[in-house]
Amino acid sequence: TQLLEQSPQFLSIQEGENLTVYCNSSSVFSSLQWYRQEPGEGPVLLVTVVTGGEVKKLKRLTFQFGDARKDSSLHITAAQPGDTGLYLCAGLFGGATNKLIFGTGTLLAVQP
Amino acid sequence: EPEVTQTPSHQVTQMGQEVILRCVPISNHLYFYWYRQILGQKVEFLVSFYNNEISEKSEIFDDQFSVERPDGSNFTLKIRSTKLEDSAMYFCASRRGAGFTDTQYFGPGTRLTVL
Repeated sequence: TQLLEQSPQFLSIQEGENLTVYCNSSSVFSSLQWYRQEPGEGPVLLVTVVTGGEVKKLKRLTFQFGDARKDSSLHITAAQPGDTGLYLCAGLFGGATNKLIFGTGTLLAVQP
Repeated sequence: EPEVTQTPSHQVTQMGQEVILRCVPISNHLYFYWYRQILGQKVEFLVSFYNNEISEKSEIFDDQFSVERPDGSNFTLKIRSTKLEDSAMYFCASRRGAGFTDTQYFGPGTRLTVL
């Protein structure tokens, strides 16, 4: 059974601070996606990383895929209240169906 | 931008009743999925569908569940006899191809409440 552990589970910070969220597994991913989910809504894709060591930037968000493709991180610089939400990593383990295995989620609250 | 749509947004039903959740995937996508998220828990895979048949299903997807693509646009999830523990958000997703860079796009979800 593939498992994705995210840490921390909860994070409450002040506006302007930096933060990093981690996503770890003992299994190798074909690719990994980061989503953001608002209450009562579906996950919205932020980024897909495919290559080991890959770094992608989306404004103040930086996503990194581990060299061994077993872990990933999301770093937010100068967090803003609008960044508040649930951040989910989801791994693609290949196979015929390419189903996503979701992480446990990180709930971020950015206080003004 | 094309998006996955789901109806209804909220469904309330009595235990033992049948429900059908509907999804319209993105038009040129070929792979379709249902996931669910029980309140406070992580998103879980239920079933994948390709070429008009189920390609994989999870342990959750027992005989009470079925999926169908009745026409060229809709993708439905039926629960024959709902149980209290079926209460959850149900998300439909679709993707264009089978490559590692082909993204799954999620719909806004249907909140199912079983009383």
